[in-house]
Amino acid sequence: DTEVTQTPKHLVMGMTNKKSLKCEQHMGHRAMYWYKQKAKKPPELMFVYSYEKLSINESVPSRFSPECPNSSLLNLHLHALQPEDSALYLCASSQDAGIYHEKLFFGSGTQLSVL
Amino acid sequence: DAKTTQPNSMESNEEEPVHLPCNHSTISGTDYIHWYRQLPSQGPEYVIHGLTSNVNNRMASLAIAEDRKSSTLILHRATLRDAAVYYCILRVGFGNEKLTFGTGTRLTIIP
Repeated sequence: DTEVTQTPKHLVMGMTNKKSLKCEQHMGHRAMYWYKQKAKKPPELMFVYSYEKLSINESVPSRFSPECPNSSLLNLHLHALQPEDSALYLCASSQDAGIYHEKLFFGSGTQLSVL
Repeated sequence: DAKTTQPNSMESNEEEPVHLPCNHSTISGTDYIHWYRQLPSQGPEYVIHGLTSNVNNRMASLAIAEDRKSSTLILHRATLRDAAVYYCILRVGFGNEKLTFGTGTRLTIIP
C-alpha cells in the first residue's frame, strides 16, 4: 500500500465553523507534512511532523491547528478561517524527515472553500 | 534553499521525447536535484532525483551538467498522461526536512 488517503475530498465551510481534515498512511512512514496550494501556484509547506512531534511550523496562523495522534494519522483542525484560506490542502508522508533521498508521497488533497 | 529556474510552460508532441530544463546556478555540493510532477486534480508525485551522475528510472531520465548548475528531465516518449506541472527542486542533504517547490513548468502534450 503506497497510498496517502485524505478525507474529505471537498469541504465547504463558513467562517465561524470548526472542521477537520484527515490524512492517513499505512506505509510505516515517520514523517508527515501539510501543504497548502492556491490555484495555479506551487504547493507551500505549512507543517512537518517527525516521529509524531511537530518539527516545522512555517509561521502558519493559529486558526490552523495540526495534530498527529499516531504515526499513521495526521489531522488539520480548522477554526475561524477566512475566505483567502480557500485552497487545496495536501498531505504527504515520507519514510523519515531530513534525508536527501527520501521521496514524499502525496495524497490527492482536500479542496477547501471558505464562504 | 538554493533557487531553481524553469520555463513557465512547454509543449511537446505525443510519442516524442521531451527535455525539461532546470537552472540552479547557486547549487551547493550537498544539494540533491529532485523532480516531482503534478497531474491535474492530483497531488504531486515523485519522478526522480540525483546528485552528480545521470540517473534513469522507469518514469524518466535525469541528465545533470558537469558543473551541476543545470539539469534536464527527459521523458523518452511522451504520452497524453504526461501532461502535468513538473517541479525541479533542490534538497539539501541530511538534516533538511523541507521540500520547497518552485514555480515549475506546465507541460502540454499535443496529440
